[in-house]
Amino acid sequence: SQQGEEDPQALSIQEGENATMNCSYKTSINNLQWYRQNSGRGLVHLILIRSNEREKHSGRLRVTLDTSKKSSSLLITASRAADTASYFCATEPDSNYQLIWGAGTKLIIKP
Amino acid sequence: NAGVTQTPKFQVLKTGQSMTLQCAQDMNHNSMYWYRQDPGMGLRLIYYSASEGTTDKGEVPNGYNVSRLNKREFSLRLESAAPSQTSVYFCASSATGGEFGGYTFGSGTRLTVV
Repeated sequence: SQQGEEDPQALSIQEGENATMNCSYKTSINNLQWYRQNSGRGLVHLILIRSNEREKHSGRLRVTLDTSKKSSSLLITASRAADTASYFCATEPDSNYQLIWGAGTKLIIKP
Repeated sequence: NAGVTQTPKFQVLKTGQSMTLQCAQDMNHNSMYWYRQDPGMGLRLIYYSASEGTTDKGEVPNGYNVSRLNKREFSLRLESAAPSQTSVYFCASSATGGEFGGYTFGSGTRLTVV
């Protein structure tokens, strides 16, 4: 069963623009994580935000978490061609620590 | 480089054949996982091992078995492959629960069952 749902399913923007992806989930969580997957490769962990945190930054990445709305957003600023990838959110429910994954957002950065 | 190593990278099986996917991590992680990824879907957990000596079923365990050989190695076995098992398989590891630093993934095994 999928808990996280990313929105949009696909996003195409010009290089240099900002990209925003959203994730919604259903149950109470310990943390929410974002991962990147380049075509044909394994997933790479980007950032983890805990349930008691509202915002977190890592380089050009900004993640927000709204536990009242059960949603999170990932903002990539000043996008680059190398950011072209699929981005997945994963939630760790507070009932156990198995991650539950969304179906991902496919991001295409046009040069 | 430290990380998770999966073998093989590609495999074609005939229906009914068996095979074992190998996974090894050198990050001293306690927990290891096997996922499958199908087009348009997120990752689905097949089996996991919270620590050496334990294994548990995930969301889609039917048709698979696993062995946690030691702390480093976690293998996935398909006893009688079916076309529905055509997928990309990922092994991952984490410090307990993934709370510290998330999961580390292998590069995947692309399996086709004909």
